[in-house]
Amino acid sequence: GAVVSQHPSWVICKSGTSVKIECRSLDFQATTMFWYRQFPKQSLMLMATSNEGSKATYEQGVEKDKFLINHASLTLSTLTVTSAHPEDSSFYICSARPLSGGGTGANVLTFGAGSRLTVL
Amino acid sequence: SQQGEEDPQALSIQEGENATMNCSYKTSINNLQWYRQNSGRGLVHLILIRSNEREKHSGRLRVTLDTSKKSSSLLITASRAADTASYFCATDSGGYQKVTFGTGTKLQVIP
Repeated sequence: GAVVSQHPSWVICKSGTSVKIECRSLDFQATTMFWYRQFPKQSLMLMATSNEGSKATYEQGVEKDKFLINHASLTLSTLTVTSAHPEDSSFYICSARPLSGGGTGANVLTFGAGSRLTVL
Repeated sequence: SQQGEEDPQALSIQEGENATMNCSYKTSINNLQWYRQNSGRGLVHLILIRSNEREKHSGRLRVTLDTSKKSSSLLITASRAADTASYFCATDSGGYQKVTFGTGTKLQVIP
């Protein structure tokens, strides 16, 4: 089945540094990838929609200069948390939609395992 | 923004019992999906139901959809301890087909 690999699975960094999280679709191509953020005991909040070859679409309230998203190929999207602060500590999850999305499977996203970011 | 709200927020049952979770949403949808998440882990897709479907089954899972009430329910029959997890409903909305999640139900199945 479709697999999405997310790396790193956890990262600890100092305040003020930048952290990059990768999201790869391993066995399928994805024109669209989504980035979500999840605080403890809360639901997933969509941060942005990443489209291959174009600028990401950010949800209201998400700072695009702080959360840089790059979708350079049909199998890779990256999220960079710039100048991270303790309040950015969270669980970040990506998901990918297959390129050939016809029929029932059109909207079935495959999720990565998530990346837990802790900013000291 | 989140589309769905789930009820109950938490549910604790004995192994073997059935668990029912409800999801309500606000706007028109193309489809609704249910996902499961074990603590601190990624999401696992359980089932998708389209807006023109009313009921769907998958193993021990039964999902219903009432578009007139803008609500869906997930029934897990003969629950097992391994079913302990958080369950989220997610709705397809918008021109970019983005998927937004409900608030989630935390299910605990006691062996």
